[in-house]
Amino acid sequence: AQSVTQLDSHVSVSEGTPVLLRCNYSSSYSPSLFWYVQHPNKGLQLLLKYTSAATLVKGINGFEAEFKKSETSFHLTKPSAHMSDAAEYFCVVSDWAGANNLFFGTGTRLTVIP
Amino acid sequence: DAGVIQSPRHEVTEMGQEVTLRCKPISGHDYLFWYRQTMMRGLELLIYFNNNVPIDDSGMPEDRFSAKMPNASFSTLKIQPSEPRDSAVYFCASSLHNPADEQFFGPGTRLTVL
Repeated sequence: AQSVTQLDSHVSVSEGTPVLLRCNYSSSYSPSLFWYVQHPNKGLQLLLKYTSAATLVKGINGFEAEFKKSETSFHLTKPSAHMSDAAEYFCVVSDWAGANNLFFGTGTRLTVIP
Repeated sequence: DAGVIQSPRHEVTEMGQEVTLRCKPISGHDYLFWYRQTMMRGLELLIYFNNNVPIDDSGMPEDRFSAKMPNASFSTLKIQPSEPRDSAVYFCASSLHNPADEQFFGPGTRLTVL
């Protein structure tokens, strides 16, 4: 069975400090994993995706995530937070079997303090 | 491409009224999805289409909800009659050739049922 757990519902960082948003997944198959970002009053936008190629995935806006099979994790990081990074972030796992096998995490709200 | 287009952006209606939400997917995308987002339940997949054909509507909450896709460039989600608990943000998304691959989201329709 597929599932995804975002370990923190809210993360607060100071501008210019590193960002870490945690995601653990469970999957019976080799999963595809995604991070989406949702800014206030906007739709979700893809940040990056992992599909069994390189385990370190680089995305837009300086974000990256590392797929760690042994830890079943896919944490999202950024070296230096910017005010514009304040948003909701969703970790998503799929097993490519169909849209009803696309599992969204509950989201992590990132606050960036000036 | 303009991305996924949804209308209206905001809808306020009274209980018992019919509500129709509209979506234009990205041209050339084979899959179209309707989601509902609330604070309590997060992001829920309601229904998705492949080449205009509904594939899985198991997420549609009740018979009051119906969705159609008369052609590749237009879909509607209808609620009749509407109830206050239907208040939510409704997102339309599309993907190119695989329902579990990257999805492109519209800006959403914020529905308020009084």
